[in-house]
Amino acid sequence: DSGVTQTPKHLITATGQRVTLRCSPRSGDLSVYWYQQSLDQGLQFLIQYYNGEERAKGNILERFSAQQFPDLHSELNLSSLELGDSALYFCASSPEGEGEQYFGPGTRLTVT
Amino acid sequence: EDQVTQSPEALRLQEGESSSLNCSYTVSGLRGLFWYRQDPGKGPEFLFTLYSAGEEKEKERLKATLTKKESFLHITAPKPEDSATYLCAVQPATNKLIFGTGTLLAVQP
Repeated sequence: DSGVTQTPKHLITATGQRVTLRCSPRSGDLSVYWYQQSLDQGLQFLIQYYNGEERAKGNILERFSAQQFPDLHSELNLSSLELGDSALYFCASSPEGEGEQYFGPGTRLTVT
Repeated sequence: EDQVTQSPEALRLQEGESSSLNCSYTVSGLRGLFWYRQDPGKGPEFLFTLYSAGEEKEKERLKATLTKKESFLHITAPKPEDSATYLCAVQPATNKLIFGTGTLLAVQP
């Protein structure tokens, strides 16, 4: 158990809908990262927050957005969902803005 | 362009048969190289961080090494419970972790 928690574990929704994924980092970690993992793409970095501020951005679609709250938990919002958005979404955390990251168990999103 | 390539894509070993996994990288300003283990449907589990060429880290049957162009994950006398996908990732100057596609290891009893 890495100490990173993610909810929900599974999510099934229809195309065009909007969902919110939630992540709580390890106690004391200031940085949160979001990743997407699909069978054909591997683990892709989406976005990083450090102590409430956006720190780095990867190939995150405009339909996706994220934020980190004062208590350091983070939410990833996915809107206008398409079939291709079906994937595992992982959150990771680290004590500072770089270095080893500890991953949560993931949220499996299925868009039908 | 920053890039990570892992080989082989898949590896099947007999229990006790030692081998190595390779991670080749091209990156501007390497700030760290990481190895993770991932079981099906689960989040990657952190194994090692390597920062500079010549560095080595060990944990149980695993040993990671780093050169200026590649890293190796050596598995000594593997057991069936070592079966998993092993992921390599590099952290360039941009701080965005770049993952390889992994090596799927199967250890047969």
